[in-house]
Amino acid sequence: SQQGEEDPQALSIQEGENATMNCSYKTSINNLQWYRQNSGRGLVHLILIRSNEREKHSGRLRVTLDTSKKSSSLLITASRAADTASYFCATDERGSNYKLTFGKGTLLTVNP
Amino acid sequence: EAGVAQSPRYKIIEKRQSVAFWCNPISGHATLYWYQQILGQGPKLLIQFQNNGVVDDSQLPKDRFSAERLKGVDSTLKIQPAKLEDSAVYLCASSWTGNQPQHFGDGTRLSIL
Repeated sequence: SQQGEEDPQALSIQEGENATMNCSYKTSINNLQWYRQNSGRGLVHLILIRSNEREKHSGRLRVTLDTSKKSSSLLITASRAADTASYFCATDERGSNYKLTFGKGTLLTVNP
Repeated sequence: EAGVAQSPRYKIIEKRQSVAFWCNPISGHATLYWYQQILGQGPKLLIQFQNNGVVDDSQLPKDRFSAERLKGVDSTLKIQPAKLEDSAVYLCASSWTGNQPQHFGDGTRLSIL
């Protein structure tokens, strides 16, 4: 079963614009992670945010976590064509031995 | 550091045949995962190893799927017999421990005819 659900399912923007993707989940978690997947490749870890953290930055990425609403958002600023990929949130439910459950992902297309 | 290696990259078989996938994790990573990713969906965990012991295999269809991690390093995932619904990408990942970011290989794309 899928725990995290990303929204929107697909997003198309112009280079230089910001992209925001959202993730909702259902249970109490230890951590929430965001991954990127280029077509035909494996997933690449972007950011991990712990349940006691509210915001985290890494380069052009900003992730927020609201445990009261069971939701997270990923913001990519000043997007580039190379950011075109699918983005997945993944959560590990408390008591699950850190087993990750992924959502269906958001397909981001950045047009040059 | 070298990444997670998987082979083969592609495999085409007929239903009811058997197939095996191989994974070499990043050196020193104690935790190894096998995921199934069906087109248009996120990865689904099949099995998680800590060293050579199984931590979670609750979503592994044990009547046809099996996995082993001998000596706590390399791992193989086998399907026997394959069904049409097994068509997917099989991803291997590894991490230092279960609470760390996972590093993924590029996967094996399996097509069942």
